[in-house]
Amino acid sequence: KQEVTQIPAALSVPEGENLVLNCSFTDSAIYNLQWFRQDPGKGLTSLLLIQSSQREQTSGRLNASLDKSSGRSTLYIAASQPGDSATYLCAVKGNYGQNFVFGPGTRLSVLP
Amino acid sequence: SAVISQKPSRDICQRGTSLTIQCQVDSQVTMMFWYRQQPGQSLTLIATANQGSEATYESGFVIDKFPISRPNLTFSTLTVSNMSPEDSSIYLCSGGDRGRADTQYFGPGTRLTVL
Repeated sequence: KQEVTQIPAALSVPEGENLVLNCSFTDSAIYNLQWFRQDPGKGLTSLLLIQSSQREQTSGRLNASLDKSSGRSTLYIAASQPGDSATYLCAVKGNYGQNFVFGPGTRLSVLP
Repeated sequence: SAVISQKPSRDICQRGTSLTIQCQVDSQVTMMFWYRQQPGQSLTLIATANQGSEATYESGFVIDKFPISRPNLTFSTLTVSNMSPEDSSIYLCSGGDRGRADTQYFGPGTRLTVL
């Protein structure tokens, strides 16, 4: 059974810092991996989707990498801003499943 | 991309009653999913709903408690039956379709409080 973990559980940084969020998964037979953002009391916003054949994806200040063999993905946020404050969720879709398995999330606070 | 809306956005209900949550997608999607997010927790899949077939429920979730309808490719409902305070959660609808980069889109969620 796929299990997804995220480290750290919470992170507080001053504005302007670069930061890395980590995601680990136990079963490397994945179809894809997706990073989401969730604002308090709101739904999820898709940030980046990485297919199993890809190593990384970039969107603006965000860069996500995938190392299937080691069961890891990282989300890199450059020049963080207070508006980046949210919970970031990593989700993995297996080769034989139709749905995502979510990690517990990293709660990020960017202080002005 | 697909835009997903949910109704209601939030509700406060009495113990023992039932609530039906509606999920509308602005385009046809093959698969729709219902998730629960309990306070301070991540998302847990309740069931997968495909048109024309019975929903597939995850371990710990049963049809009598969470009946689901999927009458067409753009709409689904989830009913939370005989509610108790433990059902207080955010319920999220999601849709996806293999062939569109296989991403998954989420609705804004329904925040349910059971007294």
